[in-house]
Amino acid sequence: EPEVTQTPSHQVTQMGQEVILRCVPISNHLYFYWYRQILGQKVEFLVSFYNNEISEKSEIFDDQFSVERPDGSNFTLKIRSTKLEDSAMYFCASRRGFSSYEQYFGPGTRLTVT
Amino acid sequence: DQQVKQNSPSLSVQEGRISILNCDYTNSMFDYFLWYKKYPAEGPTFLISISSIKDKNEDGRFTVFLNKSAKHLSLHIVPSQPGDSAVYFCAARGRAGGTSYGKLTFGQGTILTVHP
Repeated sequence: EPEVTQTPSHQVTQMGQEVILRCVPISNHLYFYWYRQILGQKVEFLVSFYNNEISEKSEIFDDQFSVERPDGSNFTLKIRSTKLEDSAMYFCASRRGFSSYEQYFGPGTRLTVT
Repeated sequence: DQQVKQNSPSLSVQEGRISILNCDYTNSMFDYFLWYKKYPAEGPTFLISISSIKDKNEDGRFTVFLNKSAKHLSLHIVPSQPGDSAVYFCAARGRAGGTSYGKLTFGQGTILTVHP
């Protein structure tokens, strides 16, 4: 069964450094998402991406964040200058098409900012 | 953001009995609701969903009920099995054209423990 994959599973970085989290969505899906979950808190929406552009973003997704689909398979989240409060699990998700509502999540990347 | 709430942080059930997980929402623009199951160190796994135009959807041991007037949904698992022990998240999707179109808004989650 096709699944969303994410790399790395765990990333440790120092405050102020740039990180890139990578995702490979399910191959025939058209909509892509990033969510995050800070320890002990809810899963929060960050950004949605369709047709090579951001379709919606949350207040969390400020100028320090960017997303890219550099080729036909990868979907990346970049944090330009990490802060301690960026430490969280980051989940990528994908959805097949306009009339399908289920989003399928990857296993997540645990980002630890020290 | 308290648009989706799961008021029970945990639920403990005996194997073979029914598990009922509850979820309340406040935003009437939500048009689709989903339940996800999550094991530690894994991503949320889609379980079952329901459109706002329905009041019940069933898939094997899992049934979701929607009460739109009360803005309440519930997930019933029967019979419960030890392998069902996980965190269960309720999520809601905004209506197309609304400001929350596409994105999912999650509840806090309920930890279900099914005892053998």
